[in-house]
Amino acid sequence: EAGVTQSPTHLIKTRGQQATLRCSPISGHTSVYWYQQALGLGLQFLLWYDEGEERNRGNFPPRFSGRQFPNYSSELNVNALELEDSALYLCASSLGDRGGTTDTQYFGPGTRLTVL
Amino acid sequence: AQKITQTQPGMFVQEKEAVTLDCTYDTSDPSYGLFWYKQPSSGEMIFLIYQGSYDQQNATEGRYSLNFQKARKSANLVISASQLGDSAMYFCAMREGQTQGGSEKLVFGKGTKLTVNP
Repeated sequence: EAGVTQSPTHLIKTRGQQATLRCSPISGHTSVYWYQQALGLGLQFLLWYDEGEERNRGNFPPRFSGRQFPNYSSELNVNALELEDSALYLCASSLGDRGGTTDTQYFGPGTRLTVL
Repeated sequence: AQKITQTQPGMFVQEKEAVTLDCTYDTSDPSYGLFWYKQPSSGEMIFLIYQGSYDQQNATEGRYSLNFQKARKSANLVISASQLGDSAMYFCAMREGQTQGGSEKLVFGKGTKLTVNP
């Protein structure tokens, strides 16, 4: 069974540009989560989508946004890129509410975003 | 306040020996889940083991076991018979608010870098 996939693997942008990151969840998973792993800041929760809706959002500015498509894949958009947005962006998926109390998030390989 | 604390930035272990990675947590929610993930240098986070706050027994998954001490709010990961491939970053994470059936954000510790020496 295929795991969580993310594209692109690497992305290089300049300050002020927009970046779009994509994620495909494990088949059957309806929840998608985005995390940012910046150097020195650890893993920070960004966004959670379930059944096409944004269910929770971390402490990030509005220029971080995303959406979930009917096939449960997801996009993360980062507008007006800043140097400090350089990080590894990890996507995870899970069964969501159907997973019950043991619901586990499985991660993709990540997209490494570099802002110059 | 930091919710997940991993006090060991780096650990070294000899191949075939056991190693314990420490994790303490802070929550007032009676229902929560604790997770351990492994992150090799490639970057992907690999799920290792889960412990629920109401679980009576310590979780085990192959060479991984979780030493869960609820009163002390600790959830240490024990890796038995270490292998060279175990060299990686290890993250402890917590999910609060399981009372409605799961699926919420994970809060991560800063991680422990484990190096297995031959």
